[in-house]
Amino acid sequence: DVKVTQSSRYLVKRTGEKVFLECVQDMDHENMFWYRQDPGLGLRLIYFSYDVKMKEKGDIPEGYSVSREKKERFSLILESASTNQTSMYLCASKVSATYEQYFGPGTRLTVT
Amino acid sequence: AQSVTQPDIHITVSEGASLELRCNYSYGATPYLFWYVQSPGQGLQLLLKYFSGDTLVQGIKGFEAEFKRSQSSFNLRKPSVHWSDAAEYFCAVAMMNSGGYQKVTFGTGTKLQVIP
Repeated sequence: DVKVTQSSRYLVKRTGEKVFLECVQDMDHENMFWYRQDPGLGLRLIYFSYDVKMKEKGDIPEGYSVSREKKERFSLILESASTNQTSMYLCASKVSATYEQYFGPGTRLTVT
Repeated sequence: AQSVTQPDIHITVSEGASLELRCNYSYGATPYLFWYVQSPGQGLQLLLKYFSGDTLVQGIKGFEAEFKRSQSSFNLRKPSVHWSDAAEYFCAVAMMNSGGYQKVTFGTGTKLQVIP
C-alpha cells in the first residue's frame, strides 16, 4: 500500500511565525504536490515537484515556498504565517508516468 | 483552460436509496477523469478513474461512473447508499499543460449526507 504521511494532523501557529509542514511518501514516487483545501473552493495547487531539488509553482504559490532535498520528502514552508493561511493542507504523490495521486491525511493549520 | 464543475454542493439521500453525483468538465481533448472520496478528517482516496475505452467504469466500494463525451460529464453513481458513504466527493480532470507537466484540476466537491 502506498503511504503518504504528514507530520502533524493539527497545528496552531501565531501570525508571523515560520511554519514547516512535512510530507513523506514511501513508494519511491517521483512527483509530489502540496494543495490547500478550503470550503467551497475545492483543492488548489500550491507547489509541486517533479523530482529531487525541482519545484514548480502551482496556482496559488504566494506566501509559500517548498523544499525537496530527498525523493521521499517534500516540505511546505510558510515564511511568515498569516491568518488567511488558515486551512487544510494536503500532500500527494504519484509515479511520474501516471495521473493517479495518493494523498496524505492532511494537516489542519490554524494561524491566530 | 480546463475546469471541473460539481453543481451540487450538498446532497442528502436515505440509506438504501440510489445516488448520482454530477460532474461536468471543460477540456478540449480527451480527458483523464477521476472521482475521489474524502471521509471526515481524512485525505482523499481514489474511487475510480477513466482514461479510455469502456465509458462505464467500476470503482471501489460499489461505485461506478459513466463518461459521456457529448455532455462533457462524468457522473458518479451507486445503486444503494450505505451510511458509511457519507463523505465529500471530488471530481477531477487531468491533462498535460503547456509546460509539459501533468496538471490535475479538482471540482469544489459535493458533500453527501446519508439519513436512516
